[in-house]
Amino acid sequence: DGGITQSPKYLFRKEGQNVTLSCEQNLNHDAMYWYRQDPGQGLRLIYYSQIVNDFQKGDIAEGYSVSREKKESFPLTVTSAQKNPTAFYLCASRRTGARLDTEAFFGQGTRLTVV
Amino acid sequence: GQNIDQPTEMTATEGAIVQINCTYQTSGFNGLFWYQQHAGEAPTFLSYNVLDGLEEKGRFSSFLSRSKGYSYLLLKELQMKDSASYLCAVGRLTGGGNKLTFGTGTQLKVEL
Repeated sequence: DGGITQSPKYLFRKEGQNVTLSCEQNLNHDAMYWYRQDPGQGLRLIYYSQIVNDFQKGDIAEGYSVSREKKESFPLTVTSAQKNPTAFYLCASRRTGARLDTEAFFGQGTRLTVV
Repeated sequence: GQNIDQPTEMTATEGAIVQINCTYQTSGFNGLFWYQQHAGEAPTFLSYNVLDGLEEKGRFSSFLSRSKGYSYLLLKELQMKDSASYLCAVGRLTGGGNKLTFGTGTQLKVEL
């Protein structure tokens, strides 16, 4: 079945360590997105990518990095420079193009806790 | 940039109708989406508007006015399971691709 997969579902890390969150999709979608959600809040855009080897900063990119080496994969690294990394991270993908835009499909999310 | 505004909370009665409003300001508008999110879960898609007018899908309808930067989500025959957060999201064409930005969400509580 086609879908978008995030792993792991729960992740614990020590303060000061970098951590990479995985996001894979087999929907053949061009666009991929990373969002952060804090308790009781909406989704805030971290990074997005339209094509392989290209990505754009969202509204809260500081302390994060991404790569898009393959169409299917868009991993997010939470670096030690991110001051408050504990949050729920959501990855999404979407088909885009002239008259072909669809809704974004979300992975199940990764809940990151930094101790 | 984009400004997306939604009410923070709403309360409605089971069986009633509720309208959740969303206003936005953006350049390069490329569609407006509504999502439902239950606590601790990923958002699920409800509706999509790119042209002005009303889109109906069962108990859910969504309206868009591009000239006014305004949308609403209408939920009919409310059920207890409709208690959730409702997120408005705006698509925007940028030089780097299709940016998709979410509002802060409206927490809907359905009561007996």
